Amino acid sequence: GAVVSQHPSWVICKSGTSVKIECRSLDFQATTMFWYRQFPKQSLMLMATSNEGSKATYEQGVEKDKFLINHASLTLSTLTVTSAHPEDSSFYICSAPLPTGNTGELFFGEGSRLTVL
Amino acid sequence: AQSVTQLGSHVSVSEGALVLLRCNYSSSVPPYLFWYVQYPNQGLQLLLKYTTGATLVKGINGFEAEFKKSETSFHLTKPSAHMSDAAEYFCAVSVGQAGTALIFGKGTTLSVSS
Repeated sequence: GAVVSQHPSWVICKSGTSVKIECRSLDFQATTMFWYRQFPKQSLMLMATSNEGSKATYEQGVEKDKFLINHASLTLSTLTVTSAHPEDSSFYICSAPLPTGNTGELFFGEGSRLTVL
Repeated sequence: AQSVTQLGSHVSVSEGALVLLRCNYSSSVPPYLFWYVQYPNQGLQLLLKYTTGATLVKGINGFEAEFKKSETSFHLTKPSAHMSDAAEYFCAVSVGQAGTALIFGKGTTLSVSS
C-alpha cells in the first residue's frame, strides 16, 4: 500500500485564489519531505525541501512567497500555491525517505493535478 | 553535483521484444541509482535501485539494470516487453545520504505495440 499520501488528487481553481496540497507519511515519521513539480511530458523538477520544525529550503528559481511550505508535524507537509495563475497549472508530487536505512530511496505520493483557470 | 541523462525520449518496441532504456549519470561521489515508472496522472513507483554490492540488480515486473562505473551508465532492460509496460520511465541519482532529494532524468516514454 501507499506509504505517502497526497490530497487532493485533482484541484481546479480560479486565477488569484490559493490552493493547499497536503502530503502525509503513513505509518512512519518524515522529518524531511520533498516537493516536485512536473509539467506535461516533462521530468520532475525539485521545488523545495520541507523540513519539520524549520523553514523549507527552496531550489533556485522557485518563489518561496508563492509556494508556501509548512512542515507542521512529523507526518504532514503542506504546499500552498498562493495567488495562483494559469502558469502554475502543473502536477505536484511530494516524496519522503524512509527513516530506516540509508539508500536514498524516496517514496512518492500519488500527485496532485492543479488546474488554474 | 549530480545529473542524469536519459538517451531517447521515446522508445517503441513490439510486444515480446527486448526493452532497453538508457541512462547515464554524473556524480562526484559514489552514486545511488534508481529507476522509477510513472503511469498517467499517478505518482512514481520504484522499479529497482542500485546502492552497493552486486552491479546487476533485479527489480519488479521482470526489469533489471546493470551499474557500470566505467561507463557511468545504469541502463534498464527487460527481455520481453508486455503491453502493460507502456509508461514513462525515469532514471534518478542520489548521493545516498538520508534526507537527500533525487535528481531525475528527463524521462523516456515506452510504447509497446501488439
